[in-house]
Amino acid sequence: AQSVTQLDSQVPVFEEAPVELRCNYSSSVSVYLFWYVQYPNQGLQLLLKYLSGSTLVKGINGFEAEFNKSQTSFHLRKPSVHISDTAEYFCAVNLKAAGNKLTFGGGTRVLVKP
Amino acid sequence: GAVVSQHPSRVICKSGTSVKIECRSLDFQATTMFWYRQFPKQSLMLMATSNEGSKATYEQGVEKDKFLINHASLTLSTLTVTSAHPEDSSFYICSATTSGDGLTDTQYFGPGTRLTVL
Repeated sequence: AQSVTQLDSQVPVFEEAPVELRCNYSSSVSVYLFWYVQYPNQGLQLLLKYLSGSTLVKGINGFEAEFNKSQTSFHLRKPSVHISDTAEYFCAVNLKAAGNKLTFGGGTRVLVKP
Repeated sequence: GAVVSQHPSRVICKSGTSVKIECRSLDFQATTMFWYRQFPKQSLMLMATSNEGSKATYEQGVEKDKFLINHASLTLSTLTVTSAHPEDSSFYICSATTSGDGLTDTQYFGPGTRLTVL
């Protein structure tokens, strides 16, 4: 079975500073990787996804993530955050051989301070 | 594109009543829909997977007689919480995927429904 670990439950960061959200997964088979963002009392919005190809993936709102197969990681980064980036961020894994079921990490709450 | 809606966004009901939540894909055909439950400050827990025209597949520990799922068309799935109790209070989120290469389809999420059972 696969699992997803988001190492930081909460990340405070000042406006215009960079941020990195860590995500590690465990799986014995190939996976697809996703990052979603959830604003308060809302559903999830897809930030970016890795299916194949280039290991550096660019998403919406200036976010990017890098797939590292040897370290089984898919860390999310943004070089300069805005107040509006305050939200909960979820990393998720989709086993290639298990259809579309997603396994989510525990989430990382990003709080951007002025 | 790929917009998913849920209705209602918020519902308050008395203990013992049943509540139906709708999930619609507005601009695409969703052959598969997923239902999740999210407790405060926690991650999403998959409850069940439903494919159009067939019975839903429930995750371990989810009572299928309590959480009735119907996926009657390619754009609509419903979750009915039967005889709701306060412990069923939660944020329920649906997602939908398109057909095609099923291994690469992305899940598009609805805005969620907050259920409060008094």
